[in-house]
Amino acid sequence: SQQGEEDPQALSIQEGENATMNCSYKTSINNLQWYRQNSGRGLVHLILIRSNEREKHSGRLRVTLDTSKKSSSLLITASRAADTASYFCATANYGQNFVFGPGTRLSVLP
Amino acid sequence: EAGVAQSPRYKIIEKRQSVAFWCNPISGHATLYWYQQILGQGPKLLIQFQNNGVVDDSQLPKDRFSAERLKGVDSTLKIQPAKLEDSAVYLCASSSAGQGARSGSNVLTFGAGSRLTVL
Repeated sequence: SQQGEEDPQALSIQEGENATMNCSYKTSINNLQWYRQNSGRGLVHLILIRSNEREKHSGRLRVTLDTSKKSSSLLITASRAADTASYFCATANYGQNFVFGPGTRLSVLP
Repeated sequence: EAGVAQSPRYKIIEKRQSVAFWCNPISGHATLYWYQQILGQGPKLLIQFQNNGVVDDSQLPKDRFSAERLKGVDSTLKIQPAKLEDSAVYLCASSSAGQGARSGSNVLTFGAGSRLTVL
């Protein structure tokens, strides 16, 4: 299975701190994506990183990808209460569909 | 642009009853997905359509679940008969890209989901 597995399962931080969550997967991928899900809502795409990229930035988000270790990390800098949500990594490969991990539940305390 | 529309948002039924969920993807999106998300877990793919054809339904419990996308636009997911373990949120997503990740930039847009409770 190419399922992504996020770590930690839950993370609680203070507003203004940085939040780091990790994703590990098992097989070769074409790209890896991160999604956010607020309580009771659908998932929202945050950022995509291709297998030939090592780092990508989008606003307060920084994603890294290490294909040799089959792992990725998502860093949210200067977190806000509004960042409270579940974060999922999704891996994709040619001919296969997206496989989502169980997610990291982030709580940002004011 | 309008997002992915799903209905109903909430449904409560008793086991062995049937239920249907509807999804209207973003206009022009050829690929449509149905995911099942059990509380505390990540979404699990049930079925993927490319236009009105099925691309992947390997994880769809075909003895009780069925889905169709007759005109390549709207889609309906049906469960009959429902079991207790079917309690979950059913998420519909759409994408403009081709099958899987062959385009290299396939991004999913999700609807808000339909929450099913089976008693």
